[in-house]
Amino acid sequence: NAGVTQTPKFQVLKTGQSMTLQCAQDMNHNSMYWYRQDPGMGLRLIYYSASEGTTDKGEVPNGYNVSRLNKREFSLRLESAAPSQTSVYFCASRRDSNQPQHFGDGTRLSIL
Amino acid sequence: RKEVEQDPGPFNVPEGATVAFNCTYSNSASQSFFWYRQDCRKEPKLLMSVYSSGNEDGRFTAQLNRASQYISLLIRDSKLSDSATYLCVVNTGRRALTFGSGTRLQVQP
Repeated sequence: NAGVTQTPKFQVLKTGQSMTLQCAQDMNHNSMYWYRQDPGMGLRLIYYSASEGTTDKGEVPNGYNVSRLNKREFSLRLESAAPSQTSVYFCASRRDSNQPQHFGDGTRLSIL
Repeated sequence: RKEVEQDPGPFNVPEGATVAFNCTYSNSASQSFFWYRQDCRKEPKLLMSVYSSGNEDGRFTAQLNRASQYISLLIRDSKLSDSATYLCVVNTGRRALTFGSGTRLQVQP
């Protein structure tokens, strides 16, 4: 019962390094999302993909890029990591606009 | 005004207590509503959907008042394991669900 799978679970980067966070869902969901959550704060939407082949910016897209590789997979790329991007990153998916979102268990990213 | 507003708490209650959280939303066109639970440093997990008629799942009861644009969650007979942050979530049919910042509950022995 995989649901939404994120890799890696933990990562430490140096400032300026690049990295791609992977997300895959096996629920045949149409929409996929990337959030970040800083300590003691709420979720903030980075990017989303309403359907295969489309991507759109969320609240905090600067410094990130995304790729909806196929219906199952939605990756998030940091081209030049900065300490301000230290956070927990959650991927989520949902079937359609009236359904709840299902989350992966997160990637904990530290940038030194 | 935030789209979804919650009292951040914390709510400190003894085991066995009944506790209620309220949440208000600003968009009257909102279509569906949910409560999620988030444990410290873990992913949010769906607790229950919220329907106009109100719905119950064991010790948890959710209510929706569209006229006043608020949602409530009632937890009866609180357990230590209920300690978590509860997120009020509203679907306006746009890009993604809108999450409140959460209400923290601490159940004490």
